[in-house]
Amino acid sequence: EAQVTQNPRYLITVTGKKLTVTCSQNMNHEYMSWYRQDPGLGLRQIYYSMNVEVTDKGDVPEGYKVSRKEKRNFPLILESPSPNQTSLYFCASSQQGNTEAFFGQGTRLTVV
Amino acid sequence: AQSVSQHNHHVILSEAASLELGCNYSYGGTVNLFWYVQYPGQHLQLLLKYFSGDPLVKGIKGFEAEFIKSKFSFNLRKPSVQWSDTAEYFCAVRASGGYNKLIFGAGTRLAVHP
Repeated sequence: EAQVTQNPRYLITVTGKKLTVTCSQNMNHEYMSWYRQDPGLGLRQIYYSMNVEVTDKGDVPEGYKVSRKEKRNFPLILESPSPNQTSLYFCASSQQGNTEAFFGQGTRLTVV
Repeated sequence: AQSVSQHNHHVILSEAASLELGCNYSYGGTVNLFWYVQYPGQHLQLLLKYFSGDPLVKGIKGFEAEFIKSKFSFNLRKPSVQWSDTAEYFCAVRASGGYNKLIFGAGTRLAVHP
């Protein structure tokens, strides 16, 4: 089954404690991206990757890092989480060109 | 910069009522247009998409949308809603031929009462 898998689904952490949210897709898609969803703001892109070792900032990259060492994986790293990063995070993947994006199940992160 | 505006943040309807959710975008070039739905506690699922051709697009679960280029609009419609349509709906735009970045609207929460 074609899917985008994120882990964990729920995470509560403390300010400053480094964390990683994993994302994996099994569709051999080149393009992957991370979004955060906040009430009244819709989804905003954090980082994206056009292929292995090619990443770039989205609209709200501050406080986040990513890496793309393999085509299927695109982890999101918060080196020093802060409460304003409490949000719902979605990973998405797609083929290049005029295609739809597939979304993961989401990760609800709470930073206290 | 591209942006997407969804006019209604909250909509409350009774079952069998008709639905129309507004979506306008700002971008002068060729675009791909999408409507995604997010059921409570779930991820985003694609309802329908427009890339080219017939501006009236039919999607899953009886939804349709019409692309009106002159109005930069892509409104979502359903003739008769059901309780199971209760969800949040997102309009999204992508510059055609671009690097696949989606710009989302703020979302519309739809509540359908039996």
